[in-house]
Amino acid sequence: AQKVTQAQTEISVVEKEDVTLDCVYETRDTTYYLFWYKQPPSGELVFLIRRNSFDEQNEISGRYSWNFQKSTSSFNFTITASQVVDSAVYFCALSLSGSSASKIIFGSGTRLSIRP
Amino acid sequence: SQTIHQWPATLVQPVGSPLSLECTVEGTSNPNLYWYRQAAGRGLQLLFYSVGIGQISSEVPQNLSASRPQDRQFILSSKKLLLSDSGFYLCAWSHRGSGAGANVLTFGAGSRLTVL
Repeated sequence: AQKVTQAQTEISVVEKEDVTLDCVYETRDTTYYLFWYKQPPSGELVFLIRRNSFDEQNEISGRYSWNFQKSTSSFNFTITASQVVDSAVYFCALSLSGSSASKIIFGSGTRLSIRP
Repeated sequence: SQTIHQWPATLVQPVGSPLSLECTVEGTSNPNLYWYRQAAGRGLQLLFYSVGIGQISSEVPQNLSASRPQDRQFILSSKKLLLSDSGFYLCAWSHRGSGAGANVLTFGAGSRLTVL
C-alpha cells in the first residue's frame, strides 16, 4: 500500500534560517512520482516540484532544494534563507506513473511559520 | 490556458441535508479529475478520482458520492450530511499519460463546508 509520512506537524523558525521539511514514503512499485505542494493561507494548493523515481538527482530552484534518496524512501525539501512569505502548509505527495489514472495521495502536511 | 472552477466557495448546511459541489475544467480534454477533503488542521484525504465520463474510483467509504456526467465536470454529492463532513473540499485535475504534466495536480480554490 502507498503511504506518505510527514512527521513534522509544525515548524517555526526565524527569518533567514534554513529549514528542512521531511517526507518519507512507502510503495511497492518501482515506478512512481513524488511531489511537493505549497498551501499558503489563501488555501489554494500550488505545485512546487515533481520527481520521477528513476531520477535521484537533487534539484535546486532558487532558495528551494530537494533531496531524493530511494535508499531511505525520503524526499526532503529544504528552504534556504527562509522568508516570511514562505509561511504555509507544505504537502508531500506520491503517485504511480504509467497508468491512465493515477491515485495521488498526500501526507498530512507540515505547517511552516517564518517569524520576522 | 487551462482553468478550474469550483463552487460554491462557502456552504453552511444542517445535518441531514443534501450536498452538491461542482467542479469544471476548461482548456483541456480528457483530464483526470479528483476530489480531496481537508479537515481542519489536517492533511489532504483523497475521496474520489475519475479517468473518464461515468468512471469513478472511491477511496474512502462514506456517505459521499461523485459523478462525472461530462468530460470536464466533476460533482461531489451527499444525500444526508453528517457533522463529520465539515471540511475544505478541493477539486483538482491532471493530464493523463506520462508526459511532462502527467500527475501534476492543478487545484481549484476550494469549497468550505460547515455542517451544523
